[in-house]
Order: sequence, then structure tokens, then C-alpha cells
Amino acid sequence: KAGVTQTPRYLIKTRGQQVTLSCSPISGHRSVSWYQQTPGQGLQFLFEYFSETQRNKGNFPGRFSGRQFSNSRSEMNVSTLELGDSALYLCASSPAGGSYEQYFGPGTRLTVT
Amino acid sequence: GENVEQHPSTLSVQEGDSAVIKCTYSDSASNYFPWYKQELGKRPQLIIDIRSNVGEKKDQRIAVTLNKTAKHFSLHITETQPEDSAVYFCAASPPLGYNKLIFGAGTRLAVHP
Repeated sequence: KAGVTQTPRYLIKTRGQQVTLSCSPISGHRSVSWYQQTPGQGLQFLFEYFSETQRNKGNFPGRFSGRQFSNSRSEMNVSTLELGDSALYLCASSPAGGSYEQYFGPGTRLTVT
Repeated sequence: GENVEQHPSTLSVQEGDSAVIKCTYSDSASNYFPWYKQELGKRPQLIIDIRSNVGEKKDQRIAVTLNKTAKHFSLHITETQPEDSAVYFCAASPPLGYNKLIFGAGTRLAVHP
């Protein structure tokens, strides 16, 4: 099976802009989780989607949002970008609904200038 | 709140030695504990996991132990090889976490030939 894919891989944006990142899970996986990875804060959970429903959300401001489509592909959006949003954004897919192994995509490296 | 502490932050061993990384979690009801290996510039890779109803799990040179009473879990790597050099992350899934993982800060392991 093909692994988790994310697009784009690299992105440079300016403060105040918005950005949309995409994640395609492993075929048959219905859960997609998003994480932010930075050198200072490590890996932090953003949110999780299962069957097009957000079931859990981390401690991030409302500028961070996401959605999931009927084919399980997911997008996350960050509005009004800040310098501190520069990070590696990782998505992970899981076959089932809870406490199952998660497989990460390669990430999208977002740089905000 | 939910928290996972990981020690040590860096670990240097000689090839062939064993390496042990320890994690402590805060929520006693956490029920799933994966370990990820992340090489430089690559995605986190699931290497082993353990559920709360199991005390130990092995996979070739890698083993994980869980002590629910103490809320500790550890990764053991035997006969280390240079290709084991990477950053290792432990994580815990809180109850009803719906694929939400709380990550430790990571351990940078260096295996010297």
C-alpha cells in the first residue's frame, strides 16, 4: 500500500497570509491526525478527524482549522499566519477509531517570513 | 494536564552496547504507548508500541516495558548499530483520545562505531 502523502512539501508564506495543507491517508484508513513539530515545542497534537468529523482538538488558536472529505483525505488551514507558525506540519493516518497505530506522512515544512 | 516526560534528552553509546530510554506519563488512564524513530529530515516511523494490558513486548533488538503502577514505560535497544542513530519519541494516548498522542520531548541517540 502507498504510504501517507502530504502536499506541498515546502511552503513559504508571509505574515498575515493563510495556507492550506493537504494529507492523503493510507488506503482504507479513516482517521487522520495533524501535528505540529518545532524545535522548541516538539510534537504537538492539533486535531483528529474520523469519518469527516473532528473528534478531538489540541490547544491551538482558532486560526488553525481542518476538515476531512468523504474519501478520508484531510486538509488543514492556518489563517492570519504568524512567524511562530513556522514548523513542520505532519499528518498521520490510522485504520480505526481510537488508540491504534498511527503512520506519519513526510510533512509540510512551512516557513513564515 | 496530559504530559509525557522523556529522559535522557541525549544518549551516546558504543556500537554493540544497549540503550534505554525512559518515559513517564501523567494520566493513569492512558492506554496506548507507541515509540517513534525520526531520522534527520524524515518522518517519524513507528517502531514498536504497547497497550495498557501488556507488560512487555519485543521485536528483534527492540523491547518496550510498561509499569502502569509507576506510570513508566521504557524502550530498550540491544546490540546497537550506527543505523540506530536518530531521535526517538515516546508517546501516550489519553483515554478517549481518539488517536490523540501526547509526545515526549525526544531522545537523540548517537551510536558510535
